[in-house]
Amino acid sequence: DAKTTQPNSMESNEEEPVHLPCNHSTISGTDYIHWYRQLPSQGPEYVIHGLTSNVNNRMASLAIAEDRKSSTLILHRATLRDAAVYYCILRSNTGNQFYFGTGTSLTVIP
Amino acid sequence: DSGVTQTPKHLITATGQRVTLRCSPRSGDLSVYWYQQSLDQGLQFLIQYYNGEERAKGNILERFSAQQFPDLHSELNLSSLELGDSALYFCASSVAPGRNSPLHFGNGTRLTVT
Repeated sequence: DAKTTQPNSMESNEEEPVHLPCNHSTISGTDYIHWYRQLPSQGPEYVIHGLTSNVNNRMASLAIAEDRKSSTLILHRATLRDAAVYYCILRSNTGNQFYFGTGTSLTVIP
Repeated sequence: DSGVTQTPKHLITATGQRVTLRCSPRSGDLSVYWYQQSLDQGLQFLIQYYNGEERAKGNILERFSAQQFPDLHSELNLSSLELGDSALYFCASSVAPGRNSPLHFGNGTRLTVT
């Protein structure tokens, strides 16, 4: 499975937008980009996923670069409850496993 | 609430023992995944089942085994436990094994081996 690279940590002020980047330069044409987040003492939670086009849902937006070698998870207004580790992973056509990297630890400052 | 149920929430046992962790997937989900999360290693994929059959294996030790039953619940068996097996064990489920199916995780079983 192709690898992803994310910053170890980021900070954001409450009620401001947050842009969480992910690089996946070895992505193949059929890999889906998935984002999950893990709050303290909880299991990972699905956030959003996409293939080529930008995606929006009630939790966040996913912006995918035209060459698909990077993507950005956008939280439109960060709240304290958004403080979590955010994982960007690739789901391949041939592999069935989800491999999680180290993710980005997001701190939201009141 | 993800709809995925894991029991027990906590388990404390001694080295050399055997334990069974149980997972009930979300209603309608046919695929089940097991993950191990320890402090120094992050989330490690162990194994996946789809509709009762093993679909993929990750970094699962030979001392560990799993199965998915006809009612789609799954069990992860850990034997000859070692101190290093202490970790959070997560179960996740998805509708199908395909790349377009999001995973939904339970809240995990915290295993402590003393």
